[in-house]
Amino acid sequence: DQQVKQNSPSLSVQEGRISILNCDYTNSMFDYFLWYKKYPAEGPTFLISISSIKDKNEDGRFTVFLNKSAKHLSLHIVPSQPGDSAVYFCAARNQGGKLIFGQGTELSVKP
Amino acid sequence: DAGVTQSPTHLIKTRGQQVTLRCSPKSGHDTVSWYQQALGQGPQFIFQYYEEEERQRGNFPDRFSGHQFPNYSSELNVNALLLGDSALYLCASRMQREGPDTQYFGPGTRLTVL
Repeated sequence: DQQVKQNSPSLSVQEGRISILNCDYTNSMFDYFLWYKKYPAEGPTFLISISSIKDKNEDGRFTVFLNKSAKHLSLHIVPSQPGDSAVYFCAARNQGGKLIFGQGTELSVKP
Repeated sequence: DAGVTQSPTHLIKTRGQQVTLRCSPKSGHDTVSWYQQALGQGPQFIFQYYEEEERQRGNFPDRFSGHQFPNYSSELNVNALLLGDSALYLCASRMQREGPDTQYFGPGTRLTVL
């Protein structure tokens, strides 16, 4: 039972353009959502988060949008840079405080 | 300031063997969580340790056990290894009173079971 899904295994974007990574979830009781970035041979690194009581959070080039009615969140990166090329995971926190991760989307930003 | 460190980096075992993975949390952190990341999947929560006790557990069999030491470092033990246990094992640490966005991950231990 995959409670958090990232349906796009990969995404390719031109440098300077917008990258949009999507994530869907099934559990309406999730109270906190996070995005992580992972480079090869490194552990995931926290990027940005959003509480379930908000619909948008922005940090520099990164913005996360939450649509609770659709049980959908997205990460926007503007402008995209080659150094953004990595695997991105969304994660959701359940009632017990555990993090449930999606399968990841590999972003490739081409110069 | 060293972040989260894990050892060993890579490990090869055969079915039925037992393995111990080690994790040192980031300085100042008191809570350690372990995750299993299979190829092409996201990390899956195994369990969390705080004050030397297992506080939460994911959907993993009893073959997976752990320990936390007084210096907050932690071990993950897996008994009776199966081929399906082959994965990247990630350790993450944070301060208990802080939120999940303060959690730092280590680089992982790549376990291969033959």
